[in-house]
Amino acid sequence: QKEVEQNSGPLSVPEGAIASLNCTYSDRGSQSFFWYRQYSGKSPELIMFIYSNGDKEDGRFTAQLNKASQYVSLLIRDSQPSDSATYLCAVNWGTGNQFYFGTGTSLTVIP
Amino acid sequence: DTGVSQNPRHKITKRGQNVTFRCDPISEHNRLYWYRQTLGQGPEFLTYFQNEAQLEKSRLLSDRFSAERPKGSFSTLEIQRTEQGDSAMYLCASSLMDSSDTQYFGPGTRLTVL
Repeated sequence: QKEVEQNSGPLSVPEGAIASLNCTYSDRGSQSFFWYRQYSGKSPELIMFIYSNGDKEDGRFTAQLNKASQYVSLLIRDSQPSDSATYLCAVNWGTGNQFYFGTGTSLTVIP
Repeated sequence: DTGVSQNPRHKITKRGQNVTFRCDPISEHNRLYWYRQTLGQGPEFLTYFQNEAQLEKSRLLSDRFSAERPKGSFSTLEIQRTEQGDSAMYLCASSLMDSSDTQYFGPGTRLTVL
């Protein structure tokens, strides 16, 4: 049983702070990890992906992967009210395979 | 550059009716996925195509659901004899067969079964 776990939140941070979102997964064979942002009533939009241990930075976003601990996180620096959304973690067990999604973490950035 | 498109965006139907949704992937993408999402949940995989071949189908998928991608371009998802439990957002995603295989989502079709 492949599972992806996220804390559903809600997570609230003040504007300008760092938001930290966490995700754990069950299968050590997992290969690729994706973070999507989803605004209410909208479809998921890709933030970034990571498949190597360590950190990957893209603008205000940093993804961190630790395959030994089966853990992937997303840090959002200088959080903005427009970052308020649900953040979905997705795991791919191989190319061409389906993504397994967590239930998402709701983030609210307070002005 | 056009992204993934889906039609219709909203569908309201009565229980027992058949509905069909269409997905047009990003033009150079050869992989196409259908997901279903209900409130408070992440997207749940339904089925996947590589070109015109349907390679995987969720075991949770009722036989009332069928999907096609006849020419390896657009895809249709049909639900027969709809039930109230089918009410959800139906999402289509496409990807290019490369090392990341990143899936890009369309805007979704919201189905309401009365």
